[in-house]
Amino acid sequence: GAGVSQSPSNKVTEKGKDVELRCDPISGHTALYWYRQSLGQGLEFLIYFQGNSAPDKSGLPSDRFSAERTGGSVSTLTIQRTQQEDSAVYLCASRGGGGASHEQYFGPGTRLTVT
Amino acid sequence: DAKTTQPTSMDCAEGRAANLPCNHSTISGNEYVYWYRQIHSQGPQYIIHGLKNNETNEMASLIITEDRKSSTLILPHATLRDTAVYYCIVRVAGSWGKLQFGAGTQVVVTP
Repeated sequence: GAGVSQSPSNKVTEKGKDVELRCDPISGHTALYWYRQSLGQGLEFLIYFQGNSAPDKSGLPSDRFSAERTGGSVSTLTIQRTQQEDSAVYLCASRGGGGASHEQYFGPGTRLTVT
Repeated sequence: DAKTTQPTSMDCAEGRAANLPCNHSTISGNEYVYWYRQIHSQGPQYIIHGLKNNETNEMASLIITEDRKSSTLILPHATLRDTAVYYCIVRVAGSWGKLQFGAGTQVVVTP
């Protein structure tokens, strides 16, 4: 079956503009995660959705970052008034199958460049 | 979740076994050991996980010491496609939350 997909694969934007990044999780997966990875750095957790529960937003670096997950499926990560330090690869992952499922499945990422 | 320590990098000859160590001396009884890897320009990929018994799947084997304070990921016959950053992560069983990635081990498989 299809894996996690993300769009766009690459995004170049000017400083100060807003951007939206999209994630399509694996069908039926109830948990969805956003991470980011700056050049040469490790993965940094941003936000996590689990079913109808309130999302865990503890990793969002500022109030310019927000995310929503509509209908328990597709998620959009929005960055307002982008800054150069927002340049990174933004990765989405999904997980499903209840407590027996241990794996997070990652998408290919969106490479964001803020000029 | 317990903290892990891994070597920064290691080289491996193609066709040989690659043994990747991980220390997790503060691991709790209900925490699993997970391994993921990230090939350049791709998202991370799950490899294997275990609690206390050794585990094997089509990708790798996981050996966990009896005291559970360390583990070794074994790639039995490394190929050039196994060149990647390998992450050892410890987390509570059944936890749905985030994965905490450290710096990992950069493994380079050479011909």
